[in-house]
Amino acid sequence: EAQVTQNPRYLITVTGKKLTVTCSQNMNHEYMSWYRQDPGLGLRQIYYSMNVEVTDKGDVPEGYKVSRKEKRNFPLILESPSPNQTSLYFCASSLWGSGGYTFGSGTRLTVV
Amino acid sequence: QQQVKQSPQSLIVQKGGISIINCAYENTAFDYFPWYQQFPGKGPALLIAIRPDVSEKKEGRFTISFNKSAKQFSLHIMDSQPGDSATYFCAATLQTGANNLFFGTGTRLTVIP
Repeated sequence: EAQVTQNPRYLITVTGKKLTVTCSQNMNHEYMSWYRQDPGLGLRQIYYSMNVEVTDKGDVPEGYKVSRKEKRNFPLILESPSPNQTSLYFCASSLWGSGGYTFGSGTRLTVV
Repeated sequence: QQQVKQSPQSLIVQKGGISIINCAYENTAFDYFPWYQQFPGKGPALLIAIRPDVSEKKEGRFTISFNKSAKQFSLHIMDSQPGDSATYFCAATLQTGANNLFFGTGTRLTVIP
């Protein structure tokens, strides 16, 4: 089944404790992206990657890091999480130029 | 700066009625306008999409109307059903560019039986 898999689905952590949210897709998509979803703000892009070793900032990149060492994986790293990073996070992928994203099921992160 | 503006924020419709969600965009270079549907606990899923060379696209009960001169597009859900209750996001992208999708802020639709 073609899908984007995120882990974990739920995560509660403390301020300053480094964490990684994994994202993997099995569709051989070149493009991958991370979004955060907050009430009233919709989906805001954090980082995106157009291919292996090619990443760039989205609209809200502060406090986040990403890497794209393999085509299928695009982890999101929070080096020192803060409470304002409490949010619902989505990973998405697409074929280059298609405009049609496939989203993962989301990771609900709470930073206390 | 919000590239895509969406309204209303929430919408309540009776079963069988028509649901209408409106979006407006700024960048005239955008060339692909998808709508995504999101159910609670799930990621957004592509519902229907349109390119600016057509004024309307219909798939079943879902229709996108597109007004290029006004830089506006809208989603119409005909014969709305309780199963349509979800959050809807409009979006826009430049397919020949970085492929980034710019989303509206979402509309929570509730269809009352």
